[in-house]
Amino acid sequence: KQEVTQIPAALSVPEGENLVLNCSFTDSAIYNLQWFRQDPGKGLTSLLLIQSSQREQTSGRLNASLDKSSGRSTLYIAASQPGDSATYLCAVKGDYKLSFGAGTTVTVRA
Amino acid sequence: NAGVTQTPKFQVLKTGQSMTLQCAQDMNHEYMSWYRQDPGMGLRLIHYSVGAGITDQGEVPNGYNVSRSTTEDFPLRLLSAAPSQTSVYFCASSYSGTPSNTGELFFGEGSRLTVL
Repeated sequence: KQEVTQIPAALSVPEGENLVLNCSFTDSAIYNLQWFRQDPGKGLTSLLLIQSSQREQTSGRLNASLDKSSGRSTLYIAASQPGDSATYLCAVKGDYKLSFGAGTTVTVRA
Repeated sequence: NAGVTQTPKFQVLKTGQSMTLQCAQDMNHEYMSWYRQDPGMGLRLIHYSVGAGITDQGEVPNGYNVSRSTTEDFPLRLLSAAPSQTSVYFCASSYSGTPSNTGELFFGEGSRLTVL
C-alpha cells in the first residue's frame, strides 16, 4: 500500500523567504505526482503535475522536483508572500487513484 | 466553464438518515471519484468511475453507494448515516479513465457533512 508522508506538518516563515516543502512516498511505481494547494474551507487547486518520466516542473515562482527512485518530491516556492499561506498537499498516482499526504500548512508572516 | 460542481456545500443529518451528495462536471471527463478528508488522515478514496455505467470501490467504500448513468454526473449516496461519516467530501474528475491516466485531477469545492 502506498504511503505518502509530508514533513513538516506546519511551517512559518517571514515574507520573502524561500519555501521548501517535502513529500516522500514508499512505492516508486507511480504514473505522476501532483502538488495541490488548499485554502481553509475550500477545495484543492492543482499547482503542478510531474509525470513519472520528468525530473521537474516549473510554473512562475513554483518549482517541483521528482526523484522517483528515492521516493521523494520537493516543492520550492520562491520569494514567499502572505498570499502563499495555505495547506500544500502532494499526491502520487497509482492505478485509478491518488494517494495523498496529510499536507504541510504554511504561514507566511508579513 | 464551471468545472466540478458539488451540492450541497453544507448538510447536517441525524444518525440513520440517508442523503445524496451531488457532483457534476462539464469537462467531458471520463474519470470521476469521491474522496473524504478527515483531520490528520489526508484524503481517502471512497468510490471511483472510469466512465458511464462503470464504478468501483476505493479504500473506504462501506456505507456509501455510487452510480454513473451519465458522463457528467456522479452522485454519492449515504445509505444510513453514522457519526463516523462526519467529514468533508470532495468530488474530483480527470480526462481519461485508463489505469495509467496521467492527467491532472480537478476538484470540487467540497461538501461538509455533519452526522449527529
